[in-house]
Amino acid sequence: ETGVTQSPTHLIKTRGQQVTLRCSSQSGHNTVSWYQQALGQGPQFIFQYYREEENGRGNFPPRFSGLQFPNYSSELNVNALELDDSALYLCASSPGTLQETQYFGPGTRLLVL
Amino acid sequence: RKEVEQDPGPFNVPEGATVAFNCTYSNSASQSFFWYRQDCRKEPKLLMSVYSSGNEDGRFTAQLNRASQYISLLIRDSKLSDSATYLCAVNPVDGQAGTALIFGKGTTLSVSS
Repeated sequence: ETGVTQSPTHLIKTRGQQVTLRCSSQSGHNTVSWYQQALGQGPQFIFQYYREEENGRGNFPPRFSGLQFPNYSSELNVNALELDDSALYLCASSPGTLQETQYFGPGTRLLVL
Repeated sequence: RKEVEQDPGPFNVPEGATVAFNCTYSNSASQSFFWYRQDCRKEPKLLMSVYSSGNEDGRFTAQLNRASQYISLLIRDSKLSDSATYLCAVNPVDGQAGTALIFGKGTTLSVSS
């Protein structure tokens, strides 16, 4: 196991609602990245946090936002949910920002109805 | 051209077969390359990092060809337990994306007895 945990494991929401997903990184890792994986696709990079600051962002709208806490755990918030937001949301942690290998948590499966 | 492209698959092979997957990437400045394995409805798990000199781990061999911008994964003596989706991931070293991983869509391998 990677030591990366995520909660909740599954979630059902309706369009327009807001959701918060949580991730605890592996001990000693200060970088957390979030990915969205739709069915049949590879994971798509949402954003990355390094020492509580956003360190990079993929092509996702501003209604996807995040936080990293002093203990390096992280949250992903999605506002105004759309049906296309239904996906597996993966959190990955790594020791630092310089081309480090990323280790994934089990993911949160979000269904938007 | 997509940033990371993989053989579409699926690959259906008998036990004991040798199978090879290819992955091409578009950003010539990319520095880090990985193969992940993903079982159905699970998170990606790191299979191998890919180094310039190539690397081998038991039945698995990964190679990098920078001139042609592709990486490969060779699986020898396939086992039933190798059945999974294999994801190629590249770190493009893009200043706007931290150390994000860009994934291909994945190639599905099915090993049968």
